[in-house]
Amino acid sequence: TQLLEQSPQFLSIQEGENLTVYCNSSSVFSSLQWYRQEPGEGPVLLVTVVTGGEVKKLKRLTFQFGDARKDSSLHITAAQPGDTGLYLCAGDRWGKLQFGAGTQVVVTP
Amino acid sequence: DAGVIQSPRHEVTEMGQEVTLRCKPISGHNSLFWYRQTMMRGLELLIYFNNNVPIDDSGMPEDRFSAKMPNASFSTLKIQPSEPRDSAVYFCASSLSGEEDTQYFGPGTRLTVL
Repeated sequence: TQLLEQSPQFLSIQEGENLTVYCNSSSVFSSLQWYRQEPGEGPVLLVTVVTGGEVKKLKRLTFQFGDARKDSSLHITAAQPGDTGLYLCAGDRWGKLQFGAGTQVVVTP
Repeated sequence: DAGVIQSPRHEVTEMGQEVTLRCKPISGHNSLFWYRQTMMRGLELLIYFNNNVPIDDSGMPEDRFSAKMPNASFSTLKIQPSEPRDSAVYFCASSLSGEEDTQYFGPGTRLTVL
């Protein structure tokens, strides 16, 4: 059983559309990280959110940390083919990172 | 600057054989992590070193798995004997200091045990 549940597991959209992926847990985290992983490579950190209710923007990506610090979302505006990848969330619980299973996003031209 | 280096990138072996995976962390980083990624279980932490000392090995599946870090620039993960269920992608990551710092992942080693 995953401590962090990510949904959906798979998302396929057309270029220009918006998408949101979710990361949910019943546990509280001191911080939460989002990574993107491309085929044949390791995950790369996109952002870390620390404060409940925090919203961070990274160009077309918007990250939100839930008020209770148990969940998070990642919203991509006007998706591009370069956004294709596996999006992983990871929660810091007592100094230990727990990863979700990931959401595979495919953006077609 | 060189990132985390892992070798080999791909390994195919037969059940029962010994497998050794290698990792060179980013120079100056004090913490090193070994992860395993599978479709079923996602990304799991196997073991974490800080200043070459194993801090948390609670994720190591069983006695067939062992990890060493003889110096600050090299670590190995060994599986002996290997089993088909060990097939996965194994990642090494390093950070400046501890799990709370940004972890930089290597490209991974894809292990297939026949």
